[in-house]
Amino acid sequence: GAVVSQHPSWVICKSGTSVKIECRSLDFQATTMFWYRQFPKQSLMLMATSNEGSKATYEQGVEKDKFLINHASLTLSTLTVTSAHPEDSSFYICSANTAGGPDTQYFGPGTRLTVL
Amino acid sequence: QKEVEQDPGPLSVPEGAIVSLNCTYSNSAFQYFMWYRQYSRKGPELLMYTYSSGNKEDGRFTAQVDKSSKYISLFIRDSQPSDSATYLCAMSGNQFYFGTGTSLTVIP
Repeated sequence: GAVVSQHPSWVICKSGTSVKIECRSLDFQATTMFWYRQFPKQSLMLMATSNEGSKATYEQGVEKDKFLINHASLTLSTLTVTSAHPEDSSFYICSANTAGGPDTQYFGPGTRLTVL
Repeated sequence: QKEVEQDPGPLSVPEGAIVSLNCTYSNSAFQYFMWYRQYSRKGPELLMYTYSSGNKEDGRFTAQVDKSSKYISLFIRDSQPSDSATYLCAMSGNQFYFGTGTSLTVIP
């Protein structure tokens, strides 16, 4: 199946700093990429949907100025958590979609962010 | 009311047992019904999906959807220790909605 990578796999940062997470589709071009956040023992919550070359669409309650998404190419999307705080500590997962049904959406391995 | 409800468990069974995992949902517009497996600190991996109602079988796994009851199930036959993971149900219309996941441990 298709492979989606994320980098870094984990990151620890100080409060107030910014962190960038990369999501890459390694062997296919993704028309759409999604960013999710997963807190312990909770479900994946969609944060935003990004399409290459256009602005991301954010879900209600997600601050677009805090979670900056750039989808510069069909194989790369980045999520930047600006001025991170301890409550932003979470597991961030991206997925990339080619087209069609759920079997065309592939998830990355996730990035664990810990803000001290 | 949450879009998708799933008992988080944990669920612990002996090797060889039949496992039943379930979710309920509230939105009758959902069309795709998925089951994902997620190992610790990893992204979800699609196990199976069903479009609309009915059953689908893949090896030891069977997915069932009952749209009239808004209830979906995943059955695992002859469970193996390697099946130990968190199982997430998900449904989609315009976007994906995930359950909280059920933690399963299969004891050798």
